[in-house]
Amino acid sequence: DQQVKQNSPSLSVQEGRISILNCDYTNSMFDYFLWYKKYPAEGPTFLISISSIKDKNEDGRFTVFLNKSAKHLSLHIVPSQPGDSAVYFCAARADSSYKLIFGSGTRLLVRP
Amino acid sequence: GAGVSQSPSNKVTEKGKDVELRCDPISGHTALYWYRQSLGQGLEFLIYFQGNSAPDKSGLPSDRFSAERTGGSVSTLTIQRTQQEDSAVYLCASSARGNTEAFFGQGTRLTVV
Repeated sequence: DQQVKQNSPSLSVQEGRISILNCDYTNSMFDYFLWYKKYPAEGPTFLISISSIKDKNEDGRFTVFLNKSAKHLSLHIVPSQPGDSAVYFCAARADSSYKLIFGSGTRLLVRP
Repeated sequence: GAGVSQSPSNKVTEKGKDVELRCDPISGHTALYWYRQSLGQGLEFLIYFQGNSAPDKSGLPSDRFSAERTGGSVSTLTIQRTQQEDSAVYLCASSARGNTEAFFGQGTRLTVV
């Protein structure tokens, strides 16, 4: 039972363009969402988060959008840079639990 | 330390042997998580510790897996009678109480041969 789904295993974009990574969830009790980036042989690093009381959170080149009615969130990276090439995981948490549930990840390749 | 530290970084073991994986969380963080990532898969939740509360063990895949956290700091994940399907990267993370941003260590790559 996958509560957090990242349906695109990979994405390739040109440097300078926008990267859009998508994530869907099924548990309506989730109230906090996070995006992590992972390079090979390293642990995931936190990128950006959003609470369910908001629909947008921005931090530099990274913006996360939350559509609660559609149970969908997305991460926008603009402009994309070759150093952004990594695997991106979305994660969600329900207020009743500190457990973070992760999606399966999307591998982003930014072409120079 | 400044970040979450895991040891060893790599472990190769023979099928049937026991292994212990160690995690040193960020100082002062009361929450500690163990996850694993099998080849080509996402992060699978294993166990969660929060302060002195009973741990959430709901993700442990079998009774061969156990974890403890001594003194509210260092944690050890033990896998008994290892099997080839246990081969994965085991990741530890910690977070401050009330703060759901979790910081990960670099992981331990376990290979069971």
